[in-house]
Amino acid sequence: EAQVTQNPRYLITVTGKKLTVTCSQNMNHEYMSWYRQDPGLGLRQIYYSMNVEVTDKGDVPEGYKVSRKEKRNFPLILESPSPNQTSLYFCASSSTGEGRNEQFFGPGTRLTVL
Amino acid sequence: AQSVTQPDIHITVSEGASLELRCNYSYGATPYLFWYVQSPGQGLQLLLKYFSGDTLVQGIKGFEAEFKRSQSSFNLRKPSVHWSDAAEYFCAVGAWGGSYIPTFGRGTSLIVHP
Repeated sequence: EAQVTQNPRYLITVTGKKLTVTCSQNMNHEYMSWYRQDPGLGLRQIYYSMNVEVTDKGDVPEGYKVSRKEKRNFPLILESPSPNQTSLYFCASSSTGEGRNEQFFGPGTRLTVL
Repeated sequence: AQSVTQPDIHITVSEGASLELRCNYSYGATPYLFWYVQSPGQGLQLLLKYFSGDTLVQGIKGFEAEFKRSQSSFNLRKPSVHWSDAAEYFCAVGAWGGSYIPTFGRGTSLIVHP
């Protein structure tokens, strides 16, 4: 089954404790991205990757890091989480072919930073 | 820069009534347009998309949308709403051009009364 998986689905942590949210897709998609969803703000892109070893900032990259060492994986790293990073996070992937750039979303990771 | 406006934060309809969710976009060329649905506790699922051709596009779950270039709009419609359609709906605009940063609207929450 074609899918995007994220782990963990729920995470409660404390300020300053480094964490990683994993994202994996099995569709051989070149493009992957991370979003955060906050009430009233919709989805805002954090980082995206056009392919292996190619990453770039989205609209709200501060406080986050990503890496793309393999095509299927795109982890989101919070080196020193803060309470303002409490949010619902989504990973997404898509093909980069013309006309085929609908995104497939993971189920989401709800992060609470105390 | 591209942008998407969903002017209605909440929409309330009775089951069986028709539905129209508004979406206006700003983009310099013909955009790729999408509607996604997010059910409670779920990720986003693509309802339909427009790239080119026929300006009236059909999607899943009985939804359709019409691209109107003159109005920069891509409104979502359904002739008869079911209680299971209660969800958050997101309009998005994207385009390929070296990089790809899709922009999402802030979402419209659909409430369905029995």
